[in-house]
Amino acid sequence: AIQMTQSPSSLSASVGDRVTITCRASQGIRSDLAWYQQKPGKAPKLLIYAASSLQSGVPSRFSGSGSGADFTLTISSLQPEDFATYYCLQDYIYPFTFGQGTKLEI
Amino acid sequence: QVQLQESGPGLVKPSETLSLICTVSGGSVSSGSYHWSWIRQPPGKGLEWIGYIYHSGSTNYNPSLKSRVTISIDTSKNQFSLKVSSVTAADTAVYYCARGLHFWGMDVWGQGTTVTVSS
Repeated sequence: AIQMTQSPSSLSASVGDRVTITCRASQGIRSDLAWYQQKPGKAPKLLIYAASSLQSGVPSRFSGSGSGADFTLTISSLQPEDFATYYCLQDYIYPFTFGQGTKLEI
Repeated sequence: QVQLQESGPGLVKPSETLSLICTVSGGSVSSGSYHWSWIRQPPGKGLEWIGYIYHSGSTNYNPSLKSRVTISIDTSKNQFSLKVSSVTAADTAVYYCARGLHFWGMDVWGQGTTVTVSS
């Protein structure tokens, strides 16, 4: 199975900061990567699909980039509601696999 | 607007079979190229994809669970279901159902249901 490694595992930041989270695949996955935001007690919410496409209704401060094995999620200016855990998901090849998560804290 | 809702027992005994149903509203499990997935999250841990099914009945499972998992679909009830046999405490998790498009992620999720395996 493809391993997805996120870094950092946790991150402290402030409102207004620019934040970047990285996801690395153990082999190339084209651009078949999605990013999710999860808040405590809630289901994950799709932010980005196909590595860089913004899901409808998601604020434009979220952006994704990358292809092959290296990907990034960037939040251009952190808002209070952005403090959550973020996961990447590869759906290029079975089994689909998630990164271990990045907890974004104040 | 498509919505998904998981249902099933919250407590299952070790060695028994966990059974969950996902009911789809506002859309059809028979529509388009969507797959219908199950994902789980043990307490305090990350997400694990369990498997998916297409409306045709075609399935794909995570090898880590494949021998114990069955996903089925009932287009007449607009539902799909998950069965995990021979459960242990390691199967204790929040179980989510979700709609997806291959290569485009899973865009609609249920709220999740907690299943505890305990005698």
